[in-house]
Amino acid sequence: DIQMTQSPSSLSASVGDRVTIACRASQSISNWLAWYQQKPGKAPKLLIHRASTLESGVPSRFSGSGSGTEFTLTINGLQPEDFATYHCQQYNSYSTFGGGTKVEIK
Amino acid sequence: QVQLRQWGAGLLKSSEALSLTCAVYGGSFSGYYWSWIRQSPGKGLEWIGEINHSGSTTYNPSLKSRVTVSVDTSKNQFSLKLTSVTAADTAVYYCARGVTWSDAFDIWGQGTMVTVSS
Repeated sequence: DIQMTQSPSSLSASVGDRVTIACRASQSISNWLAWYQQKPGKAPKLLIHRASTLESGVPSRFSGSGSGTEFTLTINGLQPEDFATYHCQQYNSYSTFGGGTKVEIK
Repeated sequence: QVQLRQWGAGLLKSSEALSLTCAVYGGSFSGYYWSWIRQSPGKGLEWIGEINHSGSTTYNPSLKSRVTVSVDTSKNQFSLKLTSVTAADTAVYYCARGVTWSDAFDIWGQGTMVTVSS
């Protein structure tokens, strides 16, 4: 099965910062990658699919890039509501998720 | 606006069977694919299995021997059964929607905490 590795597992940032989260697949998944945001006690929310396609209603400060095995989620101008945990998911073969990255307030 | 609402027993004993149901409100049932996903503190998010309106299923190979996902199209509902549970199955269980087989999940249920005690 395909393993997904996210880094870092947590980070501290300030409002207005640019934040980058990485996700690596154990084998090529083309662009079959999604990113989710999850807040405590809530279900994950889909932000990006097909590696770089923004879901309807998601602010444009979120962006995704990459293909093959290396992917990145970038938040340009972190807002207070963006402090959350972010997960990547591959759906090239079945579905597996990364371990998550918690974005905390510095 | 499509909503998923799920329910089921939240406290089980080891060796019992977990049973959850998810109902789809406010949108098409037949045009999508319906999954179960769980989240435990130790293992993060784990996809369990999925079904379409015709009853075709795919399962996570690591859970396949214990999992059954079924559908009731007359009620726009789908269900999860996981047999022989242990403490390792303690998690929050979510139902979710995909547009096709093996897809991103654009709508999620509210989650159900299931605790397995010995």
